[in-house]
Amino acid sequence: DAGVIQSPRHEVTEMGQEVTLRCKPISGHNSLFWYRQTMMRGLELLIYFNNNVPIDDSGMPEDRFSAKMPNASFSTLKIQPSEPRDSAVYFCASSSGTSGKETQYFGPGTRLLVL
Amino acid sequence: ELKVEQNPLFLSMQEGKNYTIYCNYSTTSDRLYWYRQDPGKSLESLFVLLSNGAVKQEGRLMASLDTKARLSTLHITAAVHDLSATYFCAGGSGGSNYKLTFGKGTLLTVNP
Repeated sequence: DAGVIQSPRHEVTEMGQEVTLRCKPISGHNSLFWYRQTMMRGLELLIYFNNNVPIDDSGMPEDRFSAKMPNASFSTLKIQPSEPRDSAVYFCASSSGTSGKETQYFGPGTRLLVL
Repeated sequence: ELKVEQNPLFLSMQEGKNYTIYCNYSTTSDRLYWYRQDPGKSLESLFVLLSNGAVKQEGRLMASLDTKARLSTLHITAAVHDLSATYFCAGGSGGSNYKLTFGKGTLLTVNP
């Protein structure tokens, strides 16, 4: 099993640029999560998809952030325009099942630095 | 809103010693997870605890859950250097049963 795949693994960009992060969940998993990890705020859930539908985006910081899941095997998180305070590690995670209690499996993360 | 507190946040141990990491949560949680994160790496699932009194063990790590006390513990037995990592607990509340709230993590360093 390939696990959750994320790309790019590292991204350095300048303030104001658009950034797109990509995620391929584990095959057969029906839930997908985007998290952000910073030293100050720890791990925060940004958005959750179930069966490709966004269920809860209350963690998305502001309108500069958007996420899509066009099919069961691909999701994107876009930041436009990016700001230095967006610098963080962004993790994608996926899980299967319907109880909500299933383990979430995390991808390797994208380390984003906005200059 | 569920709040999760871990302590200690930093733990330096000698090899061969035992220690416990504590995870307290603020409101009813119907599940508790423990994850491990190595520096610069992703989070690896260690344990899932779904009921009061649940105990799970893997190697030198044992996790337990007391829902009445709103407390989970991760006990380390005879620590070895390979256990050095950051350990996170995460709880889920029934209202949004997919949503996990993570603690700040415990950075464990095991010294020879």
